[in-house]
Amino acid sequence: ETGVTQTPRHLVMGMTNKKSLKCEQHLGHNAMYWYKQSAKKPLELMFVYNFKEQTENNSVPSRFSPECPNSSHLFLHLHTLQPEDSALYLCASSNEGLAGGQETQYFGPGTRLLVL
Amino acid sequence: DQQVKQNSPSLSVQEGRISILNCDYTNSMFDYFLWYKKYPAEGPTFLISISSIKDKNEDGRFTVFLNKSAKHLSLHIVPSQPGDSAVYFCAASGDTTSGTYKYIFGTGTRLKVLA
Repeated sequence: ETGVTQTPRHLVMGMTNKKSLKCEQHLGHNAMYWYKQSAKKPLELMFVYNFKEQTENNSVPSRFSPECPNSSHLFLHLHTLQPEDSALYLCASSNEGLAGGQETQYFGPGTRLLVL
Repeated sequence: DQQVKQNSPSLSVQEGRISILNCDYTNSMFDYFLWYKKYPAEGPTFLISISSIKDKNEDGRFTVFLNKSAKHLSLHIVPSQPGDSAVYFCAASGDTTSGTYKYIFGTGTRLKVLA
């Protein structure tokens, strides 16, 4: 397996459910990211992890809870979501900090989430 | 307030002609710019980047131009091919006031290359 993988690719959940999104990167990177893409909006950065430590929380509601057990895996735990949370959730990875900020992020295919 | 803007939501170009996608930014701290291509049901794929110390970067059919004084960059695809039909996102980074190098994305331009 190469690149950045995400599972599941599609998820439908009710507002009272608890689910988790998984991301795995096989690129040897040290930083991982969660983004949200809603229709007709730019990609919005949600969380950044660098060497397993969370370095950015972009004012994301607490119903989204990230977890980064190691530099290759990233989870996004979801609970009591709202219909407006329906979106494409993208994971990315990069080598943060090694090129003075000019590192390229590589994205996974995303999880299409629908909250009913 | 959007710091990175792609004012054309869509663009149609004839196969073999040049496609020009535009992006404007407002933050003068940005020093690294990227273009990503996204097909339906896939994540964005890195296409080409440019550092603010350059004004042009070329990779095969793709060339990115940066005009720092105008805070404008453009992606040229020549010749355009039907497989280039996708949504193209511009991204910028370099503002470290928050402590990390965040990417700020535009809303994307949907390119359709007509055969």
